[in-house]
Amino acid sequence: EVQLVESGGGLVQPGRSLRLSCAASGFTFDDYAMHWVRQAPGKGLEWVSGISWNSGSIGYADSVKGRFTISRDNAKNSLYLQMNSLRAEDTALYYCAKVPLGIWYYFDYWGQGTLVTVSS
Amino acid sequence: EIVLTQSPGTLSLSPGERATLSCRASQSVSSSYLAWYQQKPGQAPRLLIYGASSRATGIPDRFSGSGSGTDFTLTISRLEPEDFAVYYCQQYGSSRFLTFGGGTKVEIK
Repeated sequence: EVQLVESGGGLVQPGRSLRLSCAASGFTFDDYAMHWVRQAPGKGLEWVSGISWNSGSIGYADSVKGRFTISRDNAKNSLYLQMNSLRAEDTALYYCAKVPLGIWYYFDYWGQGTLVTVSS
Repeated sequence: EIVLTQSPGTLSLSPGERATLSCRASQSVSSSYLAWYQQKPGQAPRLLIYGASSRATGIPDRFSGSGSGTDFTLTISRLEPEDFAVYYCQQYGSSRFLTFGGGTKVEIK
């Protein structure tokens, strides 16, 4: 059974940093690209970033480019999102999501999310 | 960037009725690379449809997707109580940039 478990969320002040993690199990992690998708409270879904199986191809939404860095450790079956210079508008539930093939694809499995709140 | 516009924002229907949800793209979505998701309160999104019309594993056949180019539709033939939720479309035909529509809420009338 595919499982994606996010962690690392919390309350952080504007301008500070936070690192999110996603622990994957139930599939061969290094065969698949992975992504982060976020959802602000009461709002819709927003794609944040994606990374290929070997980290050779990476993309970011314009809203986070230059501030967020996606990475993965295939030996640990883990995905990460380093978030710097956080803003109030980054407040959201952050989901880790898997694609079934390729990189820029649809999402076949999602975690339950970790909540990031940016506030002073 | 391809912008997806979903309509209506809210659909008020009764169980047993047919639901028709629209997703319109600002430019053509290549190869009908469009997916639909269902999200219930407090839950992660669930994949329903990919490739505009292919049902994901375990999705009941009352859910169907259609369309191409810039106009796509999700149809729920007969609403069950568990189908009342928010539905999102997503395009994946634009390399390195994935986008979602704003969502349609299907609520009980």
